[in-house]
Parts: sequence; C-alpha cells; structure tokens
Amino acid sequence: GAVVSQHPSWVICKSGTSVKIECRSLDFQATTMFWYRQFPKQSLMLMATSNEGSKATYEQGVEKDKFLINHASLTLSTLTVTSAHPEDSSFYICSAPQTGGSDQPQHFGDGTRLSIL
Amino acid sequence: GDSVTQMEGPVTLSEEAFLTINCTYTATGYPSLFWYVQYPGEGLQLLLKATKADDKGSNKGFEATYRKETTSFHLEKGSVQVSDSAVYFCALSDGSYIPTFGRGTSLIVHP
Repeated sequence: GAVVSQHPSWVICKSGTSVKIECRSLDFQATTMFWYRQFPKQSLMLMATSNEGSKATYEQGVEKDKFLINHASLTLSTLTVTSAHPEDSSFYICSAPQTGGSDQPQHFGDGTRLSIL
Repeated sequence: GDSVTQMEGPVTLSEEAFLTINCTYTATGYPSLFWYVQYPGEGLQLLLKATKADDKGSNKGFEATYRKETTSFHLEKGSVQVSDSAVYFCALSDGSYIPTFGRGTSLIVHP
C-alpha cells in the first residue's frame, strides 16, 4: 500500500540550529501534504498545508518565517525549523492524502522527535 | 466549522475486556469518517473507515458504524489485548483534503 516516509526520526541539537525534516510519498504522488505538531497530551495541531509548486498555507498562529515549508516535487515536502529554540521541541508528523478523493484516508509518516537543548 | 469530539482518556482495561471509545462529530455535509491508531513513538495508521451512513468499518477486531442520526462513530472491540494499547484518533473528511481530528484517546490494556 501507499507509504509515507519521514526523516529523520529523532533530532537533538543546540538552540539556534536550523533543522530540516523530510516527508516523502514513496509510491504515489502527493500534490498536497500536511504538517502537524503533536503536543504531550496527544492532540494533533495542523501547522500548514504544503502544496506542490506553490506556497504553503499556514494555520493561524503558526509563524511562516519560523517553519519554512517547501514542496518542490510531487513526492517530497520539507519542513525547516529555523533557529530552533527549546520551545520548538515537539513531535512533528507529516501526512499525505491517498489519491482518489476526500473519502480516502491520510497516510502518515512515522514522525520526527525534535529536542532542542 | 467541522469538529470531532472524543471521550477523554486514558481508558484503562484488563485484557479481554470490551472496549468502547465514543466519537461524535459536527459537519455541514456528509463526511467520511475514520479511526486512526498511534502506537508509542510512531505516526498514525488508518484503523478503519466508513464513507456513508450505516456503513460499518472493521479491522483487526475493531468496528465502528457511521450513525448519521446521532452523528457518531464509536469504536468498539469485543476483547482487547495488551498489544492494543495505543492512542486512538477519530477523524472526518468533509470533501476537502484537510482532515479534522479529535484530541485522541489513550487506551491502556493490562494483562
């Protein structure tokens, strides 16, 4: 079945570092991908919708200059956390809708645990 | 706007107990409904789905029926196992590709 690969799975870095997270659709094309941030009490927060060949659509309250999204091809979207600080530490997850209509499920990456020291 | 409400967890059960996790939704149209499961340290996986009223989704012993009259999609399993311990998310998709998720319900199953 369709698979979404997310890399890296775990990042530990110093404050001020920029971190790039990749999300790839392995056997299908994804014109749209979603980026979520998951907080310790489990809820998923939609950060932005990544659109192939155009600008991402950010949710209210998400800093677009802080969380840079690039969707340069039909199989790859990247999220760059710029100048990361400890408050950016979180679990980040990407997803892509299976093609065929909005009644199709999302395919999720395995997530990236980001820890900023 | 659309919304999904799930029962708060954690839900703690003994092995072989019956499970129900409640989910209700509000939507303007006729959404598709989903249950996803997240095991510790992993992303979400589709557990089951239903696309129209009275449809029953089922997988791995879990079931959920799309109830339009009560706008519900409760998740059930007759006999849970320790390996079912995870966080379960109810979700809907209303015709756009942007899904709406519930807050998630943690299930803990003890031997």
